Amino acid sequence: AQRVTQPEKLLSVFKGAPVELKCNYSYSGSPELFWYVQYSRQRLQLLLRHISRESIKGFTADLNKGETSFHLKKPFAQEEDSAMYYCALDGGSTLGRLYFGRGTQLTVWP
Amino acid sequence: DVKVTQSSRYLVKRTGEKVFLECVQDMDHENMFWYRQDPGLGLRLIYFSYDVKMKEKGDIPEGYSVSREKKERFSLILESASTNQTSMYLCASSSPAQETQYFGPGTRLLVL
Repeated sequence: AQRVTQPEKLLSVFKGAPVELKCNYSYSGSPELFWYVQYSRQRLQLLLRHISRESIKGFTADLNKGETSFHLKKPFAQEEDSAMYYCALDGGSTLGRLYFGRGTQLTVWP
Repeated sequence: DVKVTQSSRYLVKRTGEKVFLECVQDMDHENMFWYRQDPGLGLRLIYFSYDVKMKEKGDIPEGYSVSREKKERFSLILESASTNQTSMYLCASSSPAQETQYFGPGTRLLVL
């Protein structure tokens, strides 16, 4: 069964510190993974997806199939990174369903 | 730019009322989704639809129904609202080719 686990409900760091938001998944096939972000009073939006291999707003995420992880990292956090972050898995359905983790609320302190 | 709109940002209803939440997307997407978002529980899928008049149950369909009469519009119906349905409701759409889901601004529903 498909499952996404984000072990940290809350994460706090200081501005300029590195940040890592953890995501582990359970899926027997070849996964497609995403990170979505929701800033205060804004709609949920795609941050990045692993097949793009992009760095968005300084964030990167590497798919580790051995550890079934897709952790989101940024070397120097900024206050504007404070938001709710969701990891999501496409379970291979042609119907487009995504499986979301419970989210991690990141707070970056000045 | 993909635009997903939801009919209301805030709604207050009474227990037992029938509630309609409307979602419209303008990108000709085949797939549409309804989620509820609760603190500590994340996003939970209620129902989704992959074509007009087609629907699939998500993880928490009890107490809800949906309607998709036109491709661009997906409605969520609370047949008899209860206080435990107080939540933020998010609509999303996607195309099979792209997988990325685009979200609406959300409707915050309070059931008294």
